[in-house]
Amino acid sequence: DSGVTQTPKHLITATGQRVTLRCSPRSGDLSVYWYQQSLDQGLQFLIQYYNGEERAKGNILERFSAQQFPDLHSELNLSSLELGDSALYFCASSVEVGWPHEQYFGPGTRLTVT
Amino acid sequence: AQKVTQAQTEISVVEKEDVTLDCVYETRDTTYYLFWYKQPPSGELVFLIRRNSFDEQNEISGRYSWNFQKSTSSFNFTITASQVVDSAVYFCALRDQTGANNLFFGTGTRLTVIP
Repeated sequence: DSGVTQTPKHLITATGQRVTLRCSPRSGDLSVYWYQQSLDQGLQFLIQYYNGEERAKGNILERFSAQQFPDLHSELNLSSLELGDSALYFCASSVEVGWPHEQYFGPGTRLTVT
Repeated sequence: AQKVTQAQTEISVVEKEDVTLDCVYETRDTTYYLFWYKQPPSGELVFLIRRNSFDEQNEISGRYSWNFQKSTSSFNFTITASQVVDSAVYFCALRDQTGANNLFFGTGTRLTVIP
C-alpha cells in the first residue's frame, strides 16, 4: 500500500459526460501528479500540482482539468468524454517539487466510456 | 527529447528460469534518474528501484538485479529463479532535468511465468 488513495476505483459513463476523479496523496506529500494509461498512448504524464499550484503540464487535453485543494487532495475533471478517454488514470504523490523525490502511485481509477 | 524503449513486448519463461528485461533510454541531460515499476494484474504500479546517472554500480535485491550501463544507455532488469508471482508488466521510466519532475515511461514488458 503506497498510501495514495484514489476514488472511485471504477467508473463507467457515456460519451459526452463529465466525471471527476479524486486523489489523496500520502501524508506529508505536497506534490500530486496525474498519469493516464491507455492502450494507444501507454503511460503518460498529464499534469502536476504542488501545494495547490499547477507546476507542469504534459499531454493533457483541453477537455481535462485538474486542481489541488488546500487539504492537498486533487481532482482530475474529464469533460465531453470520448471513447478514447477510456483508460486507467493514476495519481502519484511525492514529498515536494524537485527531484529525485520518489513518486508513489495510487491504485488507479479505471474509466470506461461507452 | 526523452525516450525510453522497451523492445520486448512480451516474454514467457518457465518457473525458476532467469529472465532479463531490457531498457534503453535517451536523454540529453547529464543528470537523470532511471526507475523500474511493476504492474501486477491487479493494476497498481509498484516502485522497484531508482538509479541516478552518476551511480553505475549494479544493484541486487533478493532475486532482482539491475545492470546500468551509461555507455550503452541501458538499464536492464534481471529476475533470477523466476516465480509465478513475478508475472506482471514491468515498466522502465526516466526522469531528467529537462522533463522536470515527470516520469517518461517505456511501453512496458509483459512477463508471464509459467508454473
